[in-house]
Amino acid sequence: AQSVSQHNHHVILSEAASLELGCNYSYGGTVNLFWYVQYPGQHLQLLLKYFSGDPLVKGIKGFEAEFIKSKFSFNLRKPSVQWSDTAEYFCAVIPMDSNYQLIWGAGTKLIIKP
Amino acid sequence: NAGVTQTPKFRILKIGQSMTLQCTQDMNHNYMYWYRQDPGMGLKLIYYSVGAGITDKGEVPNGYNVSRSTTEDFPLRLELAAPSQTSVYFCASHRQGAAQYFGPGTRLTVL
Repeated sequence: AQSVSQHNHHVILSEAASLELGCNYSYGGTVNLFWYVQYPGQHLQLLLKYFSGDPLVKGIKGFEAEFIKSKFSFNLRKPSVQWSDTAEYFCAVIPMDSNYQLIWGAGTKLIIKP
Repeated sequence: NAGVTQTPKFRILKIGQSMTLQCTQDMNHNYMYWYRQDPGMGLKLIYYSVGAGITDKGEVPNGYNVSRSTTEDFPLRLELAAPSQTSVYFCASHRQGAAQYFGPGTRLTVL
């Protein structure tokens, strides 16, 4: 069955540290890839997406993600985190030749210490 | 565009009561979803729809029903509320293959 794995359930960093959140998916065909963020008490918002083209995708608030097809990965990165980045981050995948259902990772809770 | 709207924002139900959570989107999206998010957990798919008149069960459909008579509306019905249904409910929609847009959520407590 298709699945999305986020390796870290909780990550704690200090401000200005660099961030990388892992995301791997299990599907051999074409995929669309997404990262969503959920700030405390709010609904999910799209952070960035990859459909095709340059595998390095830049999103909002200084986030970027790199699609590595050979590794079935779409890791999220930010060079220098801020306290306001404290949130939960979800990776999601749409297999493009299936029923177009979004498959969600379990989420990673990121806590930034001031 | 208003995007995805949900009503009510908060609701407290007694065990055995019923209610309908409303969801409307004005983006002409074919795909619509209902998720629940329990405290400290990720999203679980309850029901989804790929177009008007077409609905299907997700991961946790028991205790819920949906209908999709129009492209815009996708209400979620709880017939006999149980404490296990205490959660935050999110509605989402998207075009085929595109990102999902989420509503603000409905926080439901069943006592």
